[in-house]
Amino acid sequence: AIRMTQSPSSFSASTGDRVTITCRASQGISSYLAWYQQKPGKAPKLLIYAASTLQSGVPSRFSGSGSGTDFTLTISCLQSEDFATYYCQQYYSYPPAFGQGTKVEIK
Amino acid sequence: EVQLVESGGGLVQPGRSLRLSCAASGFTFDDYAMHWVRQAPGKGLEWVSGISWNSGSIGYADSVKGRFTISRDNAKNSLYLQMNSLRAEDTALYYCAKDRSGWTHIFDYWGQGTLVTVSS
Repeated sequence: AIRMTQSPSSFSASTGDRVTITCRASQGISSYLAWYQQKPGKAPKLLIYAASTLQSGVPSRFSGSGSGTDFTLTISCLQSEDFATYYCQQYYSYPPAFGQGTKVEIK
Repeated sequence: EVQLVESGGGLVQPGRSLRLSCAASGFTFDDYAMHWVRQAPGKGLEWVSGISWNSGSIGYADSVKGRFTISRDNAKNSLYLQMNSLRAEDTALYYCAKDRSGWTHIFDYWGQGTLVTVSS
């Protein structure tokens, strides 16, 4: 099974910051990667799929990049509503697998 | 508007069974694969099982294979998860999720979840 590892596990940032979250796959997954945002007490929300394609309705300050084993999620200008936990997920092979999550907290 | 509403969770003793349901609306249910994803308290996300639009393709996580059975009733716009031989480690919030298209395993809409607690 492919293992997904995110870094960091958590960090603090301020509104307006540019933030980057990294996701690494234990083996190559081409561009079969999605990113989700989850706020406390809420269901996850799809942000990006195919490593860099923005899901409809997601603000353009979110972007994704990478292929193979290394991927990044970037938020260009952090807003108050972006403080949440972010998960990457591979859907290249069975079983689909999520990273452990990265919690973005307010500094 | 896409809506997914899970039900059927609760407190159950180890070794017993439970059946979860997910009622879907706002989209053509029988055009899409559907999935169950769970989240243990304070933990991350774990894909549990998926079923294609016509039930022709089904998959399970190794952790539930042989104990859980996914099914769907397209006439009722409903997804189900039969959970047998439940263990303490199955305690989690169980989400119903819609596949973005085909059999991609990209989850574009999620319900609010139903909590399953396995404890004596």
